[in-house]
Amino acid sequence: NAGVMQNPRHLVRRRGQEARLRCSPMKGHSHVYWYRQLPEEGLKFMVYLQKENIIDESGMPKERFSAEFPKEGPSILRIQQVVRGDSAAYFCASSTRQGGYTFGSGTRLTVV
Amino acid sequence: AQSVTQLDSHVSVSEGTPVLLRCNYSSSYSPSLFWYVQHPNKGLQLLLKYTSAATLVKGINGFEAEFKKSETSFHLTKPSAHMSDAAEYFCVVSDDRGSQGNLIFGKGTKLSVKP
Repeated sequence: NAGVMQNPRHLVRRRGQEARLRCSPMKGHSHVYWYRQLPEEGLKFMVYLQKENIIDESGMPKERFSAEFPKEGPSILRIQQVVRGDSAAYFCASSTRQGGYTFGSGTRLTVV
Repeated sequence: AQSVTQLDSHVSVSEGTPVLLRCNYSSSYSPSLFWYVQHPNKGLQLLLKYTSAATLVKGINGFEAEFKKSETSFHLTKPSAHMSDAAEYFCVVSDDRGSQGNLIFGKGTKLSVKP
C-alpha cells in the first residue's frame, strides 16, 4: 500500500503562473482533503472532495483556487495566477467513509 | 465551533527527561482528538487518537495522551525524551457529526531535545 502520494514534492512558480498539485489517495479511500500550511502555522482546511463531488470548500479562497477529484485519476488542486502569499506547504489527506485520515508528504510551493 | 489551543509554541527538554506538550480544545460535539508529528520537511505522522473509548491513549514511540473532559485538555506526554523526538507536534480536533468533518489543527509546538 503506497499511502497517499503527492507530487511534485517541490514546485517553484513565478508570480502569475499556474500551479497544479496532485494527490493520489490511498487504495480504497474515496475521500480527499486538502490543507495548507503557511510558515510557522498549523494546517488549515481548504476543501473536502469525494469522487466527482466537492463536499465542503469552506476553506478555499474565493478566487484563483479550485479543486477536483475526477472519477479516474488523482485529485488536483489548481492555483491560478499565483502570488507570493500562496507560498506554503499543501497537504493532501485521504480517508474511507468511516474516517481514518492518512496524510501525504506534501507539496512545497514557492512563488518567486 | 471547534478550536484547539496549544499552550506552548516551543518546548525544550534534555534527552532522557519527560516531555509534556499541552493542548486544550473546545468542541460543541463529541470530539475526536489526535496528535500528529511533523519532522522537518516531512509529512504528518499520526501519533495517537482519542475517539471516546479509553481516556488514556497510548501511541507510537512511547507517547501517550490523556483526555480530560472536565479540563477540556488532551496533553501529550512521554516519560523520557529521545533526540529523534525533536519535531513539531500538532494537536487536532475533529467533530463527529455523522458526516465527514474536517480537522482543526493547533498552531503546533516545536519540541527541541538537548543532548
